[in-house]
Amino acid sequence: DIQMTQSPSTLSASVGDRVTITCRASQTIISWLAWYQQKPGKAPKLLIHQASSLESGVPSRFSGSGSGTEFTLTISSLQPDDFATYYCQQYNTSPLTFGGGTKVEIK
Amino acid sequence: QVELVQSGAEVKEPGASVRVSCKASGYIFTTYGISWVRQAPGQGLEWMGWISTYNGNTDYAQMFQDRVTLTTDTSTSTAFMELRSLTADDSAVYFCARFAYSYGFFFDYWGHGTLVTVSS
Repeated sequence: DIQMTQSPSTLSASVGDRVTITCRASQTIISWLAWYQQKPGKAPKLLIHQASSLESGVPSRFSGSGSGTEFTLTISSLQPDDFATYYCQQYNTSPLTFGGGTKVEIK
Repeated sequence: QVELVQSGAEVKEPGASVRVSCKASGYIFTTYGISWVRQAPGQGLEWMGWISTYNGNTDYAQMFQDRVTLTTDTSTSTAFMELRSLTADDSAVYFCARFAYSYGFFFDYWGHGTLVTVSS
């Protein structure tokens, strides 16, 4: 199975900060990576697929990059609505696997 | 608008089975697959398997292979997940999620989740 490792597990930041979350795959997944945002008690929401393709309706302050085994999710200017937990997911190979999550907290 | 509406919360005893439904609307059911993902309290996301709503093909995560069955009823645009031999470790929120066959196994719409509690 492909292991997905996210870092950091928790991140404290302020409104307006630039935030970067890293996701590392245990083997190459080419660009078959998605990012999700989840708020407490809610289902995950798709932000980005194929590593860098922004889902329709997602604010442009979110961006994704990377290929192979190293990927990043960047929020260019953190907004109050962005405090949540973020997950990466690889879909290169079955079984599909998720990273452990990064909780973005208010500093 | 696309919606995936799941069945309500369940409480089951250890050893029992649970069946969760996921009714789709707002799109042609057979043009997207359905996957199931679970989340234990305070934990991350765990993929369980997917089913093709077009031909019924399935793929299951190894850890659920012997205990889970995914099915669909195309006449009602509903997907089902049955999990057998429940233990306390199966207490979790179970989500259904839609994926596009041609774009890959990422999930653009999710159900609201169904809480399954396993307790004696």
